[in-house]
Amino acid sequence: LAKTTQPISMDSYEGQEVNITCSHNNIATNDYITWYQQFPSQGPRFIIQGYKTKVTNEVASLFIPADRKSSTLSLPRVSLSDTAVYYCLVGDRTGANNLFFGTGTRLTVIP
Amino acid sequence: DGGITQSPKYLFRKEGQNVTLSCEQNLNHDAMYWYRQDPGQGLRLIYYSQIVNDFQKGDIAEGYSVSREKKESFPLTVTSAQKNPTAFYLCASAAGTEEKLFFGSGTQLSVL
Repeated sequence: LAKTTQPISMDSYEGQEVNITCSHNNIATNDYITWYQQFPSQGPRFIIQGYKTKVTNEVASLFIPADRKSSTLSLPRVSLSDTAVYYCLVGDRTGANNLFFGTGTRLTVIP
Repeated sequence: DGGITQSPKYLFRKEGQNVTLSCEQNLNHDAMYWYRQDPGQGLRLIYYSQIVNDFQKGDIAEGYSVSREKKESFPLTVTSAQKNPTAFYLCASAAGTEEKLFFGSGTQLSVL
């Protein structure tokens, strides 16, 4: 089971770039790395997914080193609306128990 | 619009009562999941179904039951055997070959 470890919380000022790192030392060959964002009393929302190297979309970038034992979610120029909990998820879904949600990282953006 | 619909948004349970949480999706997804979230905690898997008429227990299945008679629907029953049912319940679905979960907006269950 590729469990993950993330910082419990982070603070950032508006307009700054935020990097959240997730450790997953036991990641398996078939596992993907997926990040979700959750606001209070809502379901998590998909942000980005990758397998190796770097992935970029309209809202974030995901950096994955060659050994894939960690990954870093990068949020450019955060705003107050980015205040949320961010979850790193590792798994391949063939066994849903592999989709382990940890406690996530609570990001607070400060004006 | 395609998506996952959970109902009701809020639900109250009396002692000894079974309650059922609804989850419907029109995304044509094969796989569906139920998670429980306690305040300040991550999500824990209750049950999942990879295909119609089949489902598997997750990490915390005791006190819960599910059915998957239709592809679109995956209702969760919280039975009287679940002694601490107060939590936020989230339903999710995923396509057969993708690793991305789509979540509903959740149901907050409380005990009267």
